[in-house]
Amino acid sequence: SQQGEEDPQALSIQEGENATMNCSYKTSINNLQWYRQNSGRGLVHLILIRSNEREKHSGRLRVTLDTSKKSSSLLITASRAADTASYFCAPSGAGSYQLTFGKGTKLSVIP
Amino acid sequence: DAGVIQSPRHEVTEMGQEVTLRCKPISGHDYLFWYRQTMMRGLELLIYFNNNVPIDDSGMPEDRFSAKMPNASFSTLKIQPSEPRDSAVYFCASSLRQSSYNEQFFGPGTRLTVL
Repeated sequence: SQQGEEDPQALSIQEGENATMNCSYKTSINNLQWYRQNSGRGLVHLILIRSNEREKHSGRLRVTLDTSKKSSSLLITASRAADTASYFCAPSGAGSYQLTFGKGTKLSVIP
Repeated sequence: DAGVIQSPRHEVTEMGQEVTLRCKPISGHDYLFWYRQTMMRGLELLIYFNNNVPIDDSGMPEDRFSAKMPNASFSTLKIQPSEPRDSAVYFCASSLRQSSYNEQFFGPGTRLTVL
């Protein structure tokens, strides 16, 4: 499996603003997943985007995927204090059932 | 479903003692993963099972670590003897092989402190 690298490492925004975090990876993928981890909790799956998709929405989340640049971005619109968490991307190759997580982006949403 | 269940949630032990962490995956899931998370190293995959069989244990740090999955609804991660550097949060996750999806469902973790 391959590891994604999230950028920035930390992000601090005001409530109501949009938050954008990025993920880069090295080799071809079958899909890419984003997870959220609240302090002291396990990771929670947010959204999966397949390699043949360019954009996907789920509520206030918007994920894009650019396979030519081997990158993905996660946009959280109209952020809330409850969005404060670490966000991880997990690129996954075909037939791969294990995921390798990077260090994540630590998002702080200030009320 | 109750989700992935881990026990205990917190464990404090002294160096040299044996520690056993337990995990119950989501019913019907055929993959089970053990991770360790520390500030320094992030989230590391230790070992994973498919249909109760260990597939890749290359992440297990030392022979002091062992994992078993005697049946589809139970797995253990054992550390013997434990050392202070084993202090971390240990997560168990499970997933279901379904077409190309490999979404993982994580348990709440066990916070291990070795004194």
